Parts: sequence; C-alpha cells; structure tokens
Amino acid sequence: EAQVTQNPRYLITVTGKKLTVTCSQNMNHEYMSWYRQDPGLGLRQIYYSMNVEVTDKGDVPEGYKVSRKEKRNFPLILESPSPNQTSLYFCASSPETSGRAYNEQFFGPGTRLTVL
Amino acid sequence: RKEVEQDPGPFNVPEGATVAFNCTYSNSASQSFFWYRQDCRKEPKLLMSVYSSGNEDGRFTAQLNRASQYISLLIRDSKLSDSATYLCVVIDNYGQNFVFGPGTRLSVLP
Repeated sequence: EAQVTQNPRYLITVTGKKLTVTCSQNMNHEYMSWYRQDPGLGLRQIYYSMNVEVTDKGDVPEGYKVSRKEKRNFPLILESPSPNQTSLYFCASSPETSGRAYNEQFFGPGTRLTVL
Repeated sequence: RKEVEQDPGPFNVPEGATVAFNCTYSNSASQSFFWYRQDCRKEPKLLMSVYSSGNEDGRFTAQLNRASQYISLLIRDSKLSDSATYLCVVIDNYGQNFVFGPGTRLSVLP
C-alpha cells in the first residue's frame, strides 16, 4: 500500500530533551516536506526537500533540523524542544516534475507533540 | 497580510444545500492551486486541483480568477459526509513551496 508513515504518533516530552520524528514514504517521491498545524494558523511549512541531500527552509524553520540521506526518509529533529513547539506535525511527499512540485501531496497520519 | 486567506467559518448548512467557499492569495506569480479536505484530527487529503478554465468533479466545482487572485469551491447537494475543514493551497512561483490557507470549517446538518 502506498503510504507515508510517521513515528511516533503521540509524544509528550520535556523542554530541552532532543527528539526525532521519523517520516518514511514508499512511493519513490522526490519531494518531501514537514508542516506544523496550530489552531487558527493552519498548516505552516517547516522544511522541505526536493531530493536526496537537498533541503530548504520553509516558513517556520527555527528550532528544527532535517536531513535527507535517503529518498524514502525525511526525519524531523528538535535539538532542544520548547513549549512553543507543542503542535500537530505532518510529513508529506509528492512526485517532483522538472524541479517543481506541482503535484498532489500525500500526508502522513500526523504526530501530536506536547513539550512540557 | 497573510499569503493565503480563507473565511474560517464555521459554515453550518442543511443537507442538500449549496455552499461556496472563497480563498484569496497574495502572490500574483503563484503557479498551482488545490483544494484539500481535512477531517477532524486527520491528515489533509487532496479534494481537487484548480485549473485556469475551472473544473468540476461530481458535486464539486473549482474556479480560479487570476486577475482578482482568488479561488473558489462550490459544493452542490451537500451531504453529511461533506462535513470537514476545506483547505486552500497555493504553490509559489518557484514551484517548491506549498502555502496552506487556515481552512474553512463546514458542518452539514441533518
């Protein structure tokens, strides 16, 4: 089954404790992206990647890191989480066409993170 | 001014009603446009792409007005299962950044 998976689905942690949220897709998509969703603000892009070893900042990258060592995986790293990073996080992937992502994005099920 | 704006609603309509949502975007060089649907606590899923000439998919019709920089979604004969949040999505002129609107919540009532 074609899908995007995220782990963990739910996480409660404390300020400053490094964490990684994994994202994996089995559709051989070039484009992958991370979003956070907060009430009243909608989905905001954190980082995206057009292909392996190519990553770029989205609208809200502060406090986050990503890596794209393999095409299928795009982990989101919070080196020192803070309470304002409490949010619902979505990973997404999309096929890329000529360096542009014009296509449908497929989303993972989401990770609900609480930072105390 | 936000890049993509939508009326947050909620829109409460009876079954069978026709309802329309609008979305405005600020970047005149935006390339591609979509409507996504998001059910409560679930991931967004593509509802339909929006083409320059307008397009229809069953009860759903999407329109794009580049001159006025807005996108619309019309839902005819609303069903209870249409209750969800509808997200307007714009891809920027570089074709790499997906920008989501805050969403419009629809509740279809029996």
